[in-house]
Amino acid sequence: QPQVQESGPGLVRPSETLSLTCSVSGVSISSGSSYWGWVRQPPGKGLEWIANIHYTGATYYNPSLNRRVSISVDTAKNHVSLNVSSVTAADTGFYYCARVVVTPAAHFDSWGQGALVTVSS
Amino acid sequence: QSVLAQPPSVSGAPGQRVTISCTGTSSNFGAGYDVHWYQQLPGTAPRLLIYDNNNRPAGVSDRFSGSRSGTSASLAITGLQAEDEADYYCQSYDSGLSGPVFGGGTRLTVL
Repeated sequence: QPQVQESGPGLVRPSETLSLTCSVSGVSISSGSSYWGWVRQPPGKGLEWIANIHYTGATYYNPSLNRRVSISVDTAKNHVSLNVSSVTAADTGFYYCARVVVTPAAHFDSWGQGALVTVSS
Repeated sequence: QSVLAQPPSVSGAPGQRVTISCTGTSSNFGAGYDVHWYQQLPGTAPRLLIYDNNNRPAGVSDRFSGSRSGTSASLAITGLQAEDEADYYCQSYDSGLSGPVFGGGTRLTVL
């Protein structure tokens, strides 16, 4: 199983861009049919899928977020990045990176511990 | 409001069997997409519990099992233990949204 570790700024000002990095070890993010994704969780609330990416660069976004979200992959560094622009307090929460196993209904089989992001002035 | 509907909470005594339901629609379960389940212990990240309706990853107890029929799915936990107290989420793919969708989560309390 891969080891997944998210990192980010912790605190972001409203209207600014949130940038997160997902570092993967134990497997190459460009191996086989590997997809990687981001899921977030507001405090005390449920899970929300944000975006997925294949190492070739193919991207998939949650329609409710895609105008503000950008996901990218750096195969040389073996990491995946997420940017969320024009953040508001509603973007506060834990952000999880996970490997995506692609079947007709893709699932997330290896999760990082999460990065807590607070949007506040 | 989540695409997949789960009861907010369920409870059971140690040793009992509990089930958690997950209700979908024609654009997810009804379209033939499988259900997956995650367990989130307090203060931790979610962990994959069941995938493709009824398959357990290595290391997951056989006390956990899943099923799907029509537009509904369920997770069953037998021989309930205190360590099972957690939030449980169902997840599938929705053709209308063209992406993964989660249920709102169910908090399991072991009495």
